[in-house]
Formats: sequence, C-alpha cells, structure tokens
Amino acid sequence: NAGVMQNPRHLVRRRGQEARLRCSPMKGHSHVYWYRQLPEEGLKFMVYLQKENIIDESGMPKERFSAEFPKEGPSILRIQQVVRGDSAAYFCASSPPGQAVYEQYFGPGTRLTVT
Amino acid sequence: SQKIEQNSEALNIQEGKTATLTCNYTNYSPAYLQWYRQDPGRGPVFLLLIRENEKEKRKERLKVTFDTTLKQSLFHITASQPADSATYLCALLGNTGFQKLVFGTGTRLLVSP
Repeated sequence: NAGVMQNPRHLVRRRGQEARLRCSPMKGHSHVYWYRQLPEEGLKFMVYLQKENIIDESGMPKERFSAEFPKEGPSILRIQQVVRGDSAAYFCASSPPGQAVYEQYFGPGTRLTVT
Repeated sequence: SQKIEQNSEALNIQEGKTATLTCNYTNYSPAYLQWYRQDPGRGPVFLLLIRENEKEKRKERLKVTFDTTLKQSLFHITASQPADSATYLCALLGNTGFQKLVFGTGTRLLVSP
C-alpha cells in the first residue's frame, strides 16, 4: 500500500509566479490535511479537506492561498503570486474514515523556494 | 495564549539508555495527544496516540504518559539505538478544531553508539 504521495518534491519559483503542490492520499483515505513548516519552526496547520469539501481552512492565509480536493485526482494547494516568505516545506497528510481518523499519515513534503 | 513546549535543545544519550522527552502545554484541553518522529528532509511519521482518559500507552520500546493535571506528556524510548536519532514532535488535537493537529517544535534526539 503506497503511502501519501506529494509532488513535486522540490519547487523553485520566482516572486510573483504561481506554485501548485499536489498530494495523493493513501488508498482508502478520505481526509486530507495540509501543513506548512517554516525553517526552525513547527508544523502549522493550514487546511483540512474531504472529497469536494473544505472542512476547516482556519490556518490558510486569507489571500493568495487556496486548496481543493476534487472527486477525482489529487488534492492541490495553490499559491498565487508567491513571495519570499512562502518559502517553506509543505506537508500533506491523510487519514482514513472511522475510528482511526485521528492518526494522520504524512507525505514526504514539497520544498518550495521562492527566489 | 495556547502554547506547546518541547525542549529545543538536543538530547544526547548513549546507546542502550532510556531517552525521555517532555511535552508541556498551556491553555489547551486536548482530547488526544500524539507523538511523531521526523527525520531530516522527510515528513513526520506517526508513532503513538494517547487519549485524555489514558495515563500510559506502550508500543514495543516506546512508552507515552499523559498527565492532564500537569498538562504534560512524557515520551520514553527504552534500550535506545543510534537509529532512534531523529526529531520527535508532540502534537495535540486542538480544541478549536477536532481534526486539526497542533504541533510542538520538536526535540532532536541523538543516540551515540
């Protein structure tokens, strides 16, 4: 059973460009979470999604950031008009429905560098 | 304000000894507390979950305690090995969002042979 897949693993963007980060949850998992880890800081929750629904986006910056988890295909975290402060590691996690929903399984992350 | 504190200094121990890591929190009433391991350049790996009504949980060489009065969790690795060297993260399920994990900054463990 493949784990959580994220791509690309490394992404370099110039200021003002768009960044698209993709996440495929583990098979059978219906919950997806995005976290951001800034250098020397802890993981910060951004958004929690189920298929076609955003459940909690309280950690998302109000502007430039959006996330989706369509019926088919991976979850996408989109950052428009990137700035240097967006440079970070972005992790996706997934969890199964039911009792085990509180255990989150993380992908390897996408390291975004904004130049 | 809500805060989760883990010792930011690395913990250095010798192989075979027991490593004990601490997680303290304030202004939280978590229903669940979790511990993760993170290696450099990788995503966190889930290790153990403990519920607020559980005092202790074990899994192989790992043991977690959860004291909701002290607002503290201790994470123990017995018979430590160099392969246990990593950063260990404490995470709470935040009381403002049932599925939203709130992480501490982690403690780096170094096990010397």
